[in-house]
Amino acid sequence: EVQLVESGGGLVQPGGSLRLSCAASGFTVSDINMNWVRQAPGKGLEWVSVIYSGGDTHYADSVKGRFIISRDKAKNTLYLQMNSLRPEDTAVYYCSRKFYGMDVWGQGTTVTVSS
Amino acid sequence: QSALTQPPSASGSPGQSVTISCTGTSSDVGGYNYVSWYQQHPGKAPKLIISEVNKRPSGVPDRFSGSKSGNTASLTVSGLQAEDEADYYCNSYAGRDNLIFGGGTKLTVL
Repeated sequence: EVQLVESGGGLVQPGGSLRLSCAASGFTVSDINMNWVRQAPGKGLEWVSVIYSGGDTHYADSVKGRFIISRDKAKNTLYLQMNSLRPEDTAVYYCSRKFYGMDVWGQGTTVTVSS
Repeated sequence: QSALTQPPSASGSPGQSVTISCTGTSSDVGGYNYVSWYQQHPGKAPKLIISEVNKRPSGVPDRFSGSKSGNTASLTVSGLQAEDEADYYCNSYAGRDNLIFGGGTKLTVL
């Protein structure tokens, strides 16, 4: 079964760091484009970052220079390293598969940035 | 980059048809045939229902259809059913390896 399971969310102070993980099953994360998408409480979806199958990475302007997307082929896991966190980064973070039409999503992990 | 424009709400009675619009610019919706639509029920992850303007993934009922004209994409839900009540988001490629979402539309089945 094709599945994505996120983990690593939690409460962090402004300026702090957090690393999210997204474990995949049923397919290989390094063979396909993978994204992170977030949703602030009561708000809409916001695309955050993509890592292409070839390894290129791209980011939304709101997180550029602070977040890093990566993957581990051996662990079949996608990551999002989040640094210099701000209160406005508070959201449910989803990982998803494919760039043009995200066909598989995880259940999400909640990140709260607050003092 | 601003979000794509969707109406905040839409509604219809069971069996009726409803169309949700998604307006962008020539730099996103109008410039590429990479518009997708997602359905999200409360507390759940989004689900892909339309990709590349009008392609329906396997398992999505044919009551859902997509189209595009100029800078505006549309999602039509025909034969409304109670389980269609959800939030709907459009998404478009916006060039330079960026994606952009609409603000979302809450669909109510009366």
